[in-house]
Order: sequence, then structure tokens, then C-alpha cells
Amino acid sequence: EVQLVESGGGLVQPGGSLRLSCAASGFTFSNYWVHWVRQTPGKGPVWVSGMNPDGSSIRYADSVKGRFTISRDNAKNTLFLQMNSLRAEDTAVYYCARAVGSGSHSWGQGTLVTVSS
Amino acid sequence: EIVLTQSPATLSLSPGERATLSCRASQSVSSYLAWYQQKPGQAPRLLIYDASNRATGIAARFSGSGSGTDFTLTISSLEPEDFAVYYCQQRNNWPLTFGGGTRVEIK
Repeated sequence: EVQLVESGGGLVQPGGSLRLSCAASGFTFSNYWVHWVRQTPGKGPVWVSGMNPDGSSIRYADSVKGRFTISRDNAKNTLFLQMNSLRAEDTAVYYCARAVGSGSHSWGQGTLVTVSS
Repeated sequence: EIVLTQSPATLSLSPGERATLSCRASQSVSSYLAWYQQKPGQAPRLLIYDASNRATGIAARFSGSGSGTDFTLTISSLEPEDFAVYYCQQRNNWPLTFGGGTRVEIK
């Protein structure tokens, strides 16, 4: 069974940092693009960042470029999102996702990030 | 950035009725459009990918059509569990983008 389990969310002050992790299992992690997608209550999902299987291609949404860094450890089947200079508008549930929008799509249950003083 | 506009914002229907949801892209996304269903407190669930392909385990009453800039999700006969919010999403261009959603509510 494909599983993606996010962790690392929590409450952080504006300007602070947080590192999210996503543990993957049930599939060959190193074969897939993986992404982070976030969603605030009552709003649609918003794509944040994505990385190709070997890490050679990385994409970011303009809203997080220069502040967030996506990375992966294929040996440990884990995806990361390092979030720096956090703002109130970064408050959301963050989902880890495999192959967004394709027939191989899957995502986790999400981890809540709250940026507030 | 490709903007996806969903209409209507809310659809009020009764169980057994047919639901037709629209998603329009600001420029062509070829057939790289997906549809998701989301219920409160849950992650979105993939229904349709590449415009017309049902995802694994999705009931046959869900169907997708369209290409280029105009897409439709049809639910042929609404079941009680189908009342939810539906989103479209394109993967033809970076950044990946989602529509604003259509809420299907019980009339």
C-alpha cells in the first residue's frame, strides 16, 4: 500500500523556520516526482514545490522561492521541505504528494503549520 | 501562470440528479487536467486524470471530458457521498495550478 506520512508541522513565530518531513513507503520512491502542496481552510490547494526522481530538477512557486528548499533522500525514502523566513500567509496544511495529477498520484494526510506570534 | 476558473461556485442538486462541473484554463493545458473531490477534514482524492481517465477505485458515475482550455466533470447520478467540493488541477505547465473549487450541496 502506498503511504506518505508528513511530520514536522507546528506553531512557529513569523520569521522563524520549520522543517517538514514526508516518509514514503509501499512504492519505489526514487522513481517518482514528489511535491509539496498546501491548503488553508476553505480555500483550494496550492502547489508549493516539486522535485524530480534524482533531484536534478526542482521547481518552486513564486510565493516561496528563496525561502523554502525542497530536498529528498532516496536511500531513506524521505522528502523534506525546509521553510525559512515564515510569514503568516504560510499558515496551512502541508501535503506531501507523489506525481500530482497523474495516474500515479497519491498524497498524505497533511501536517499543519501555523505561523503566529 | 495558468489560471483555472471553475463554475459554478456552488451547485445545489438532489440525490439522483446529474451534476455538470466546468473548468476553464487561461491557456491550453492539452489533456493534462485532473479532478479531485474533497470532504471536510480529508485530503483531496483524485477522481480523474489526463482529462478523462478514472483513477483507481473511482465509480463509473464519474466521468471527465475536454481538452485544450475547456473541461467538464460529470457525475451521472448523485449519491449521498458525492456532496463535497471538487477541484480541477493542471500539470501541463509550471507552476502546477488548481481551480478555486465547486461545492456540490444537497438541495
